[in-house]
Amino acid sequence: RKEVEQDPGPFNVPEGATVAFNCTYSNSASQSFFWYRQDCRKEPKLLMSVYSSGNEDGRFTAQLNRASQYISLLIRDSKLSDSATYLCVVSGDSYSSASKIIFGSGTRLSIRP
Amino acid sequence: EAGVTQFPSHSVIEKGQTVTLRCDPISGHDNLYWYRRVMGKEIKFLLHFVKESKQDESGMPNNRFLAERTGGTYSTLKVQPAELEDSGVYFCASSHRTGWVGETQYFGPGTRLLVL
Repeated sequence: RKEVEQDPGPFNVPEGATVAFNCTYSNSASQSFFWYRQDCRKEPKLLMSVYSSGNEDGRFTAQLNRASQYISLLIRDSKLSDSATYLCVVSGDSYSSASKIIFGSGTRLSIRP
Repeated sequence: EAGVTQFPSHSVIEKGQTVTLRCDPISGHDNLYWYRRVMGKEIKFLLHFVKESKQDESGMPNNRFLAERTGGTYSTLKVQPAELEDSGVYFCASSHRTGWVGETQYFGPGTRLLVL
């Protein structure tokens, strides 16, 4: 079993739709959680950190459920520019344990006009 | 502010040759990380520098890989001799503060390595 699992997709949704991704992680001691976005042949860029209380940034909402060990990302009113691969990232079972930065394989999202 | 830069952007070499990748982190960032994504797989951590010191190199695949960060500024990752399975995209990232895994890492554009 992978340490961070994501549905690879692709998700193909019309512009304006709401789309949600989930990600599960296996290490219950993980401390930090992120969603990164990666455009085709580009580097990953931080989209948002994920907190237990949930957090929202414009059309994007991230949630963390520690009990069930899953993280979600909700995109509302999707735009064509949201088309990308979304990477779930889990890290840190100790203060400086960089080796525990684990990437999911990514979920591909394609928004159609 | 300039972002993380990597050189070269692409490299095509033959099996058995040596390749050296370079990463220039964001100015003032003490923490520098190397990652790799091989075809069809997820991005995997290779190692972490704090200034010139290797904080964690547990992700380095084998002793054909050598990373250095002399002077605590730019870093190089040398693969010698390269094997076919080393092909992939090598990303460098940097972060500012203590190296705490919760802080934002800024990625470079990556070096695409193809070993023939």
